[in-house]
Amino acid sequence: NAGVMQNPRHLVRRRGQEARLRCSPMKGHSHVYWYRQLPEEGLKFMVYLQKENIIDESGMPKERFSAEFPKEGPSILRIQQVVRGDSAAYFCASSPIHLQEAQYFGPGTRLLVL
Amino acid sequence: SQELEQSPQSLIVQEGKNLTINCTSSKTLYGLYWYKQKYGEGLIFLMMLQKGGEEKSHEKITAKLDEKKQQSSLHITASQPSHAGIYLCGAGDSGGYQKVTFGTGTKLQVIP
Repeated sequence: NAGVMQNPRHLVRRRGQEARLRCSPMKGHSHVYWYRQLPEEGLKFMVYLQKENIIDESGMPKERFSAEFPKEGPSILRIQQVVRGDSAAYFCASSPIHLQEAQYFGPGTRLLVL
Repeated sequence: SQELEQSPQSLIVQEGKNLTINCTSSKTLYGLYWYKQKYGEGLIFLMMLQKGGEEKSHEKITAKLDEKKQQSSLHITASQPSHAGIYLCGAGDSGGYQKVTFGTGTKLQVIP
């Protein structure tokens, strides 16, 4: 039973480029969450999605960041016109259909902006 | 907004010793989670506590949620080098726990 999968594991971008991070939830999980871990900082919630719906994006920066979880395929976190401050580890988590269940995390994507 | 404070921030113990990590919340805790993170890797789910007074154990790790539901502790018995890592507590929101707020983390080193 495969866990949460994220790719790429490492991503290097130059300032101004776009970054696309992918997350495939665990089998049977319909809830996806994105978190960001900045260097020397804690893990911060960004966005919570269900299939084709953004449920809570209160942690997303207002500009340049977007997320989607289409009917088919992985969830995508997209960062446009990256800046050095976007360098961080981005983690995806998923949980089963029922609420009040634990979230299971992927290995993360480490984004480095040059 | 809810804040979680973990103590200690870091801990170095001799292999075989017991240790406790605390997580204190500024608000009532709903769906308290404990995770372990190894450097450069993702989070490994350890345990989830929901009810005041609840206690759960897995192998040599025991977690408790106090009756007032504002503090949780993680206790490791007879620590091993494999226990080394960063321990994070996380609190779900009062609704469906979807939005998890994480603590500051406790870095554990176990010396053989």
